[in-house]
Amino acid sequence: GAGVSQSPSNKVTEKGKDVELRCDPISGHTALYWYRQSLGQGLEFLIYFQGNSAPDKSGLPSDRFSAERTGGSVSTLTIQRTQQEDSAVYLCASSLDPQETQYFGPGTRLLVL
Amino acid sequence: DQQVKQNSPSLSVQEGRISILNCDYTNSMFDYFLWYKKYPAEGPTFLISISSIKDKNEDGRFTVFLNKSAKHLSLHIVPSQPGDSAVYFCAASESYAGGTSYGKLTFGQGTILTVHP
Repeated sequence: GAGVSQSPSNKVTEKGKDVELRCDPISGHTALYWYRQSLGQGLEFLIYFQGNSAPDKSGLPSDRFSAERTGGSVSTLTIQRTQQEDSAVYLCASSLDPQETQYFGPGTRLLVL
Repeated sequence: DQQVKQNSPSLSVQEGRISILNCDYTNSMFDYFLWYKKYPAEGPTFLISISSIKDKNEDGRFTVFLNKSAKHLSLHIVPSQPGDSAVYFCAASESYAGGTSYGKLTFGQGTILTVHP
């Protein structure tokens, strides 16, 4: 079956612009996570959704970052007024429920010039 | 505060030999541990996991060992194959946090494994 998909695969933007990153989880997966991997670093948790609710937003680095999930499916991560330090690979993962294995998408590589 | 650490950035082994990747953690609330493998331009793929009630879990060529007293886990790959060349991430989670069941993962920095033919 289809895995987790993310779009765009690559995004180059100018400092100060807003960007939207999309995640399509595996159908039926109730839990959805956003992580990011900066150069030379491990994956860093950003936000967790259970259904359309986000019980844990503790990893969002600033109020420029926000995310939503609609219909218990697609999620969008929005970064406003992008900064160069936002450059990273943004990864989305989904799981059948919070205790099950997380399956990752291929990521969106964001470069802020 | 790095709660999960992989102190070896890279490891190089010969095909057919054993690969041992190590991981240390500091948070005693972690009770579930996983290894993910990542190829370039792809997302991480789940490899193997272990619950804190066990000290060993085996799946084919892959075995994960957990030493809770030392807060240390390791992944053994025997025999190593060139196709195993990838970045390996150790990850940990708390089954329940704040009374809520969820699987937020805390990752190490990764170890680049190269298996030479």
